[in-house]
Amino acid sequence: QVQLVQSGAEVKTPGASVKVSCKASGYTFTDNYIHWVRQAPGEGLEWMGWINPKNAGTHYTWSFQGRVTMTRDTSITTTYMELSGLTPGDTAVYFCARGDGSSWFPLWGQGTLVTVSS
Amino acid sequence: QPALTQPPSASGPPGQSVTISCTGTSSDVGGYNYVSWYQQHPGKAPKLMIYEVSKRPSGVPGRFSGSKSGNTASLTVSGLQAEDEADYYCCSYAGSYNYVFGTGTKVTVL
Repeated sequence: QVQLVQSGAEVKTPGASVKVSCKASGYTFTDNYIHWVRQAPGEGLEWMGWINPKNAGTHYTWSFQGRVTMTRDTSITTTYMELSGLTPGDTAVYFCARGDGSSWFPLWGQGTLVTVSS
Repeated sequence: QPALTQPPSASGPPGQSVTISCTGTSSDVGGYNYVSWYQQHPGKAPKLMIYEVSKRPSGVPGRFSGSKSGNTASLTVSGLQAEDEADYYCCSYAGSYNYVFGTGTKVTVL
């Protein structure tokens, strides 16, 4: 079954870091980029960046540069998104999504709620 | 990269059509035929409805269609059904390995 399964909800205090995982199954892990998208409560989707599982190359949108790190472990077909320097404004559901072709995301993880609160 | 502009809401009775616009710039929507559309029901992950402006993935009903003119892309839902009530987001490639989503449109079936 082709799917992306993400890790469970997290609660963090301001200033902490969070690392969310996204395990791929049912397809060749290194064939497709993995993108990360977040959605604050009641808000829209915000694209964060991507990782190429084949060579670990990454690209982050400017607003997250310096705070986000995307990595992968090919042995367990899992990608990770780590966000540091958390503030309450980072409270959101974080999604991973498989990129197909040049531009679309046909497969999504179930989402991981990250809550930042003191 | 500012978000693409969508109307906050759209609505129509069952059976009618609704069209959602997605306005960007020549650096994103207008510059590439890489616009996709996503449907999101509350508490769920987004679902791909349209890719590369007007292509429909298998399994997506034919009443969903996409188009683009200049810097504005559009999603049309013909013959609205109750299950079409959801939030809809456009997304475009924005050059230099970047992507940008739209602000989102809540579609209500009256």
